[in-house]
Amino acid sequence: NAGVTQTPKFRVLKTGQSMTLLCAQDMNHEYMYWYRQDPGMGLRLIHYSVGEGTTAKGEVPDGYNVSRLKKQNFLLGLESAAPSQTSVYFCASSWSSGRTGELFFGEGSRLTVL
Amino acid sequence: KNEVEQSPQNLTAQEGEFITINCSYSVGISALHWLQQHPGGGIVSLFMLSSGKKKHGRLIATINIQEKHSSLHITASHPRDSAVYICAVPTGNQFYFGTGTSLTVIP
Repeated sequence: NAGVTQTPKFRVLKTGQSMTLLCAQDMNHEYMYWYRQDPGMGLRLIHYSVGEGTTAKGEVPDGYNVSRLKKQNFLLGLESAAPSQTSVYFCASSWSSGRTGELFFGEGSRLTVL
Repeated sequence: KNEVEQSPQNLTAQEGEFITINCSYSVGISALHWLQQHPGGGIVSLFMLSSGKKKHGRLIATINIQEKHSSLHITASHPRDSAVYICAVPTGNQFYFGTGTSLTVIP
């Protein structure tokens, strides 16, 4: 049972390049989240989804887009990468809202934008 | 304004010591999560609790909903407990996270 899998684990981009981070979960979870983690700032929510075909903005959505075409996959896209997007990105999933559902995290994706 | 505050931010302990990490929150909640992140590693869920106390091995989590406070205790600490411990409170479809407590246990 793989749980939550993120790809790629590491990536270096030049300013202006685009890329997509893939999050896949095999637990049939409805809720999926993309966070970024920066030193001293904790986890900040970028976008989330409460089910297949749905997405919503979080705290820091600018510069990112997401899609949830299949229930098991949640994609995070950077159309034109900027150095401020250098961060560690975590995907998480849960079968319900956080009031009743345990959170499962991927291992993280370290992105550097030069 | 930070809805979730953790203390201390950093903690160094000798192996075998009893450790307490605190989490206070300002939003109304029905559950709270404790997470663990090892250096350079992923994040794992330790506890989800809505009342009273839960225990897994040497880890104990308590919550007081009325006082909006939770504690994570580690008994007989070990170097492998060295990690960042994060509390998270759900609100609606989202979570508020503390900035974490970095624990180092010295042999």
